[in-house]
Amino acid sequence: RKEVEQDPGPFNVPEGATVAFNCTYSNSASQSFFWYRQDCRKEPKLLMSVYSSGNEDGRFTAQLNRASQYISLLIRDSKLSDSATYLCVVNGLAGNNRKLIWGLGTSLAVNP
Amino acid sequence: ETGVTQSPTHLIKTRGQQVTLRCSSQSGHNTVSWYQQALGQGPQFIFQYYREEENGRGNFPPRFSGLQFPNYSSELNVNALELDDSALYLCASSLGQGSNQPQHFGDGTRLSIL
Repeated sequence: RKEVEQDPGPFNVPEGATVAFNCTYSNSASQSFFWYRQDCRKEPKLLMSVYSSGNEDGRFTAQLNRASQYISLLIRDSKLSDSATYLCVVNGLAGNNRKLIWGLGTSLAVNP
Repeated sequence: ETGVTQSPTHLIKTRGQQVTLRCSSQSGHNTVSWYQQALGQGPQFIFQYYREEENGRGNFPPRFSGLQFPNYSSELNVNALELDDSALYLCASSLGQGSNQPQHFGDGTRLSIL
């Protein structure tokens, strides 16, 4: 099982739609979780951290399910500008150190 | 507040050559991480520097090496370049070495090996 897994998509949705992404992780001891957004040929940018109680930032809601070892990202009222790749990041083990492990990303295309 | 800056933005090299990529961390950040991102992939962790010392390494061979300077800027050196080294190299800085710290990325250096 990969350390961090995401559905690569692409997700094609119309403007105004609600879309949800899931990300599963293998290390039950993971403690930190993030969603990053990456536009084509650009660097990743932090979208939001994911807290145990769940958190919301405008149209974006992130949730953590420790029992099933997944995090989710919900985007409401999709905008054309939401088109990007969404990367799930979990702290895990890299060698002997606890470091951030990145998923491959889920591609979202919001269509007019 | 100054963000993370990387240089050069693009670079073309041939197999067997050596390359040095540079990164200036965001002001106030003392930790720098380097990632390799191939087309269509997520970033792969190369290594991290904290207070001028390597503080963790991913699954990359020794020909990938680095440095961090007293001002927290950093270099990534790659020797004996191979075709598979063609990728976007991203530098990210954070406040502290803990993996609970979000990372802020530079624009990256796009390296092409011919």
